[in-house]
Amino acid sequence: SQTIHQWPATLVQPVGSPLSLECTVEGTSNPNLYWYRQAAGRGLQLLFYSVGIGQISSEVPQNLSASRPQDRQFILSSKKLLLSDSGFYLCAWSAGLAQSTDTQYFGPGTRLTVL
Amino acid sequence: AQKITQTQPGMFVQEKEAVTLDCTYDTSDPSYGLFWYKQPSSGEMIFLIYQGSYDQQNATEGRYSLNFQKARKSANLVISASQLGDSAMYFCAMRATSYDKVIFGPGTSLSVIP
Repeated sequence: SQTIHQWPATLVQPVGSPLSLECTVEGTSNPNLYWYRQAAGRGLQLLFYSVGIGQISSEVPQNLSASRPQDRQFILSSKKLLLSDSGFYLCAWSAGLAQSTDTQYFGPGTRLTVL
Repeated sequence: AQKITQTQPGMFVQEKEAVTLDCTYDTSDPSYGLFWYKQPSSGEMIFLIYQGSYDQQNATEGRYSLNFQKARKSANLVISASQLGDSAMYFCAMRATSYDKVIFGPGTSLSVIP
């Protein structure tokens, strides 16, 4: 069966510091990978998605970036965090089906607080 | 434009009772999928149930069923025999075949009362 991991689970960082969040998937090959952010009490905002190694699509212009160095690894980074980067970051994977049946499965999330 | 609407910000239900969470959607694509996710206080988004636009039968998964009314563009989640562990945020989502992203609704907070 497939499993998705995220770390760290929680993170408190000062403004202006760098960020690196990691997501890995087990039990599947060539998945689509996604990074979402969820502000407190709000819905999900898609940040980045990737259909393959080195292929990243950005949804929202911001000071965040994403990379996919390996097939089942997805990394979210920032060189300098802003207060507005605080939130709950969720990684998700899907099989990459072209049809509307392509279900996304989520990791446990990382709660980021920028002070 | 693709859009998901969940008009109930918060709901309460007595334990062991059934509850319906509303979801309406908007798309011009004839082929689409509808999803429901549960997000407990721990934060993880848990996939519950899927309904395809061409499915003839309403989807069911254990205590979860989806009341799919295509003409009204609604896909309400029905939870039967509510349990305390059902207390969580519930998100309705849609993916149209012509649009390679999933659109999420704003969510409904469900509280199960003992």
